Amino acid sequence: DIVMTQSPDSLAVSLGERATINCRSSQSVLYSSINKNNLVWYQQKSGQPPKLLIYWASTRESGVPDRFIGSGSGTDFTLTISNLQAEDVAVYYCQQYYSTPRTFGQGTKLEIK
Amino acid sequence: EVQLLESGGGLVQPGGSLRLSCAASGLTFSSSVMSWVRQAPGKGLEWVSVISGSGDSAYYADSVKGRFTISRDNSKNTLYLQMNSLRVDDTAVYYCAKDRGSYSVYWGQGTLVTVSS
Repeated sequence: DIVMTQSPDSLAVSLGERATINCRSSQSVLYSSINKNNLVWYQQKSGQPPKLLIYWASTRESGVPDRFIGSGSGTDFTLTISNLQAEDVAVYYCQQYYSTPRTFGQGTKLEIK
Repeated sequence: EVQLLESGGGLVQPGGSLRLSCAASGLTFSSSVMSWVRQAPGKGLEWVSVISGSGDSAYYADSVKGRFTISRDNSKNTLYLQMNSLRVDDTAVYYCAKDRGSYSVYWGQGTLVTVSS
C-alpha cells in the first residue's frame, strides 16, 4: 500500500497570511503515460463531509477559490492557501488514487492564529 | 445537482451485521463509479471500497475484505454496503461518494455506525 504522510499535523496562521501543507507518498504517484500525478486534496470542515479542492495534484476543482494552489510531483506535494480567510479553518487531507487502496494522509488541522 | 443520501446506520453488537444504503439523484447513476469512505470518531478518512458503474468490479480495503460487500441497484439509483462480522473498530461515519475517474467528487452527509456491546 502507498503510505501518505502529511506535515505538519496542525498549524495556526494569521488571517491574510499563507498556509502551507505538505504531503509525501511512499512511492511515486505519477502516472507517466499521461504525465499526471494521481493526487487530490480535500477540505473537511467540522461536521461536514470532505470537499474536493484539487485533483491531478494541481488542478483546481470548479468553484474553488484561486487562493488554493496545489503543486508538486512524484512523491512530494504541497497545498498552499494564500490570503487565509476565516472560512478556511478545516482539516485538509491529501489522497492518492494511483493504486488501490486509495490511501489518505492523516490530515492537517488548520486554525487561525 | 448531485445528491447522495446515506441511511442504515445505527448501533450494532460486535459480530453483527448492517446494510448501508446510499440513494443517489442528479447523476447518471449507472455510469457512475461509486465509493464508500469511513471516518472513525475524531479520526481521519479511510477509503473502504469502490464499485464500477455496472457493478462488475469492486475493490476493498484490507481491513474490510471478506467482511464487507459493496453492491448497487442501478434500477433504483442506490448503492449498498453490506457489513458482516462487525468489530468495534468499524465504528465510524460512513460516507458514500461519486467518483470521477478514480477520485471522489461528490459526498453524502454520512451515516454513523456504532459497534458496541
